[in-house]
Amino acid sequence: DAMVIQNPRYQVTQFGKPVTLSCSQTLNHNVMYWYQQKSSQAPKLLFHYYDKDFNNEADTPDNFQSRRPNTSFCFLDIRSPGLGDAAMYLCATSRGAGGEKLFFGSGTQLSVL
Amino acid sequence: AQKVTQAQTEISVVEKEDVTLDCVYETRDTTYYLFWYKQPPSGELVFLIRRNSFDEQNEISGRYSWNFQKSTSSFNFTITASQVVDSAVYFCALRPFDGGGSEKLVFGKGTKLTVNP
Repeated sequence: DAMVIQNPRYQVTQFGKPVTLSCSQTLNHNVMYWYQQKSSQAPKLLFHYYDKDFNNEADTPDNFQSRRPNTSFCFLDIRSPGLGDAAMYLCATSRGAGGEKLFFGSGTQLSVL
Repeated sequence: AQKVTQAQTEISVVEKEDVTLDCVYETRDTTYYLFWYKQPPSGELVFLIRRNSFDEQNEISGRYSWNFQKSTSSFNFTITASQVVDSAVYFCALRPFDGGGSEKLVFGKGTKLTVNP
């Protein structure tokens, strides 16, 4: 059974139209992450939540926001998607900080038309 | 600066061949973690192994083995008797333990392995 679930698998949006990607987990992990992965590139951390504490990476554009209403769910909001935001968005969880291994979802492939 | 280099962009082998994926890292931290993840075509990154900087023992898990050498800042991954199901992109990653709360996992650019029947 999938432990980190991302919906939808494919998302198409229009240039400038807000879009929300969702992630849920059944692991009861404290930490949830959002990564952006462009074609043939390494995943890039956008931000993460440690419980309710939000931690933004310094180079994450303001266009990207996140919400974590409870332990199980985390959302990625892109306020005004540009063509350059087309990518795979990966959600991951870990039990805690430090050297804990990450559990990844299957990702949401976002296309911007 | 923290950096992971996977010099091999793509590797293609024939089934049953052995293959080694190289990973070289840079960090000033004395405490850090190294990881390998596998990303099959389905997209989900799958954890393979974690090593901390104080544990230089090599590890074998079935057909997989890892060679960690601090002297050369390398953490190489070998697949013995490769199979078609091993075809994937493999990422090496570094998690420096700077104590400042940063959770950033620094990934290499990945090596795409294709195992042909």
